[in-house]
Amino acid sequence: KNEVEQSPQNLTAQEGEFITINCSYSVGISALHWLQQHPGGGIVSLFMLSSGKKKHGRLIATINIQEKHSSLHITASHPRDSAVYICAVSERQGAQKLVFGQGTRLTINP
Amino acid sequence: NAGVTQTPKFRILKIGQSMTLQCTQDMNHNYMYWYRQDPGMGLKLIYYSVGAGITDKGEVPNGYNVSRSTTEDFPLRLELAAPSQTSVYFCASSENTRQAFFGQGTRLTVV
Repeated sequence: KNEVEQSPQNLTAQEGEFITINCSYSVGISALHWLQQHPGGGIVSLFMLSSGKKKHGRLIATINIQEKHSSLHITASHPRDSAVYICAVSERQGAQKLVFGQGTRLTINP
Repeated sequence: NAGVTQTPKFRILKIGQSMTLQCTQDMNHNYMYWYRQDPGMGLKLIYYSVGAGITDKGEVPNGYNVSRSTTEDFPLRLELAAPSQTSVYFCASSENTRQAFFGQGTRLTVV
């Protein structure tokens, strides 16, 4: 079993829909990261959080430390949100090495 | 504001050849990392460094070597390329508990 599991693996939705991507982890962490990867492109950090909730524009990330679960929400989704969204966790100690989920491929149709 | 710069972006190697993937960051970060990304899999850590002169193995270090002579540079060396090393390689840097910054990736094919 992977230490970081994301669901769903693939998600297709219509423009304007509310999107939720889930991430569960099984190890002790110091922080959880949400990353975005566009096709053929690099990886961009969206959020880093260790408790509660963060919001940036139409993106919201939440984490429940007790349940070892995080969600990434996208409100009023747009075709430009189409990308792979990756959840990763930082180890509790040491060099902040990241352990990654497999990613969720999101496609938003116009 | 360059951030993390990787070169080259693409490379085709023959089996047994060697090459160095370059990574430079201009944010004065102490922590640097090399990851590989295989289709359908999460990124895996190859090597990391917590500062100049200090490196350590990650999850998948076999077939690779690194050095960290300066804070800015963290090159990854492939000595004897094998088809199993066909992958997309990402370099990243961070400052301790802060968010990570990634390079644009190097797509390597070994034939």
